[in-house]
Amino acid sequence: DAGVIQSPRHEVTEMGQEVTLRCKPISGHNSLFWYRQTMMRGLELLIYFNNNVPIDDSGMPEDRFSAKMPNASFSTLKIQPSEPRDSAVYFCASSPTSYNYGYTFGSGTRLTVV
Amino acid sequence: SQKIEQNSEALNIQEGKTATLTCNYTNYSPAYLQWYRQDPGRGPVFLLLIRENEKEKRKERLKVTFDTTLKQSLFHITASQPADSATYLCALASGGYNKLIFGAGTRLAVHP
Repeated sequence: DAGVIQSPRHEVTEMGQEVTLRCKPISGHNSLFWYRQTMMRGLELLIYFNNNVPIDDSGMPEDRFSAKMPNASFSTLKIQPSEPRDSAVYFCASSPTSYNYGYTFGSGTRLTVV
Repeated sequence: SQKIEQNSEALNIQEGKTATLTCNYTNYSPAYLQWYRQDPGRGPVFLLLIRENEKEKRKERLKVTFDTTLKQSLFHITASQPADSATYLCALASGGYNKLIFGAGTRLAVHP
């Protein structure tokens, strides 16, 4: 398996533009998670899905952020409009629903909003 | 409020020694705890999981302990090597559906 695949690896955009981050989880994993990592705040959970259904989006910073999982093999995280304070590394992770397993993280998308 | 604390200062040790990293938590009752390794520019990599009813878990040179009374987990790397240099994150299960909350991590530097 190729692991969790995220795209793009790097994104530089101007303030006010729409940004879409993509994630392909590992086949067979029922849970998918979006995290954001910054030096100041560490790894923050934004939202997670179970069987394609959003379970908890309490970590989403504000209405500018939205996430979808239209099927078991694809998820997107969208920021519209983007702001400089959104600059961070965004990670997608997946896991089986069972509590016996750790997460598999993607390589992340480094987002810079100028 | 809920809090996960890991040493913010880097841990510097000599090759061959045992590295011990600490994870303390408050206002959680986690069913289990996990440890991850993160290298610069990469995503975290899962290392070990320990459940609340387990005191200790081992994997090769790694050992994790979990004391729910002290609300603390210790992560040990024996016979450390320069290749073990990385940031190590602890994570607690919070709520259902295998949801993890991460600590800030501790950077380990193993010197030859």
